Amino acid sequence: QKEVEQNSGPLSVPEGAIASLNCTYSDRGSQSFFWYRQYSGKSPELIMSIYSNGDKEDGRFTAQLNKASQYVSLLIRDSQPSDSATYLCAVNGPNTGNQFYFGTGTSLTVIP
Amino acid sequence: GAGVSQTPSNKVTEKGKYVELRCDPISGHTALYWYRQSLGQGPEFLIYFQGTGAADDSGLPNDRFFAVRPEGSVSTLKIQRTERGDSAVYLCASSLTPAQEQFFGPGTRLTVL
Repeated sequence: QKEVEQNSGPLSVPEGAIASLNCTYSDRGSQSFFWYRQYSGKSPELIMSIYSNGDKEDGRFTAQLNKASQYVSLLIRDSQPSDSATYLCAVNGPNTGNQFYFGTGTSLTVIP
Repeated sequence: GAGVSQTPSNKVTEKGKYVELRCDPISGHTALYWYRQSLGQGPEFLIYFQGTGAADDSGLPNDRFFAVRPEGSVSTLKIQRTERGDSAVYLCASSLTPAQEQFFGPGTRLTVL
């Protein structure tokens, strides 16, 4: 079982819609969770971090964490074509030392 | 302030050669990470430094790979006797302290012919 799993997609949404990206993780002791955006040919760019159960909002982005279900998600409201990218989920916790485990990413396309 | 920088941006080498990849982290960041990313995959952990010491090198695939950070700032990833399977994008990231948000450099694309 992989440490972090994401649906590879591709996920397509129309412009203005809500895009929902999901991630599950295997280490129940994980404490820190991150979402990165990666454009083709570029390096990952940090979007959000979340450490506590519940929702965390930053502009059009909302991260949701449910530690009991070992699930973290990213919602993108009012999706724009510029949001088209691969979204990577990363997890860190006491059982991983200070390693970050990344999922394989979900490819998102926002259709104008 | 400047972000993480990596040099070179591209490196083409021949099988069996030695290569060095350099990473200059964000000023003041004590933690430095090296990752390798292949097409369609997420970054794969290689090694992590806290200050000058390698705190965790469990991700290095074999003894051909080695990394140093002698003064606690710039780090060099060294690959001996390169193989075609080493071809990938090598990413460096730094964070203020371990386990906090990591910020990535632009990466070095290594191609072994």
